[in-house]
Amino acid sequence: DAKTTQPPSMDCAEGRAANLPCNHSTISGNEYVYWYRQIHSQGPQYIIHGLKNNETNEMASLIITEDRKSSTLILPHATLRDTAVYYCIVTGSNSGYALNFGKGTSLLVTP
Amino acid sequence: SAVISQKPSRDICQRGTSLTIQCQVDSQVTMMFWYRQQPGQSLTLIATANQGSEATYESGFVIDKFPISRPNLTFSTLTVSNLSPEDSSIYLCSVEKGTAYGYTFGSGTRLTVV
Repeated sequence: DAKTTQPPSMDCAEGRAANLPCNHSTISGNEYVYWYRQIHSQGPQYIIHGLKNNETNEMASLIITEDRKSSTLILPHATLRDTAVYYCIVTGSNSGYALNFGKGTSLLVTP
Repeated sequence: SAVISQKPSRDICQRGTSLTIQCQVDSQVTMMFWYRQQPGQSLTLIATANQGSEATYESGFVIDKFPISRPNLTFSTLTVSNLSPEDSSIYLCSVEKGTAYGYTFGSGTRLTVV
């Protein structure tokens, strides 16, 4: 199954866009890219997912490169409540459709 | 998306005993997943539970220690057996309703073994 690489930590000023990168160079053609976040002591929260097209919802945008080997999660106007650990996960039939969490990126939004 | 009720939310157990965690989903789902989150760590997949078949365990997890039942398409249990302090973790269940919806997680069970 595909693995992902994310920076361990990032900072972002409140009100600015937070751009969280993820590398998934071994992704297979039928695997999706999912983003979740976990705020301290809470369960993982779904953010967005995509296959090959860019996606946008009320929380975030997901930009997937044309070769699908990397993606970026964009939080357009970060707030203090967006401080969390963000996980980029790829999954599909090769991994039994299970989400295998890596270490993620710890995002700190500062005033 | 699905709504999951996970019970208990927390428990304190004596070493050597067992704890059974329940997950009830408000709709039928094919796949259910069980995770463990040790203090300060990321989530680790324990097993995948499909109705009508035995659970599929990840490396490092065995059925004798983590027996799972999946009697129907809306319910599953995870038992953590022969508890030791190293089993103190948060245990979560998750379901997938189809690629359009993402995966939903239960609120977790915080287990402390004393």
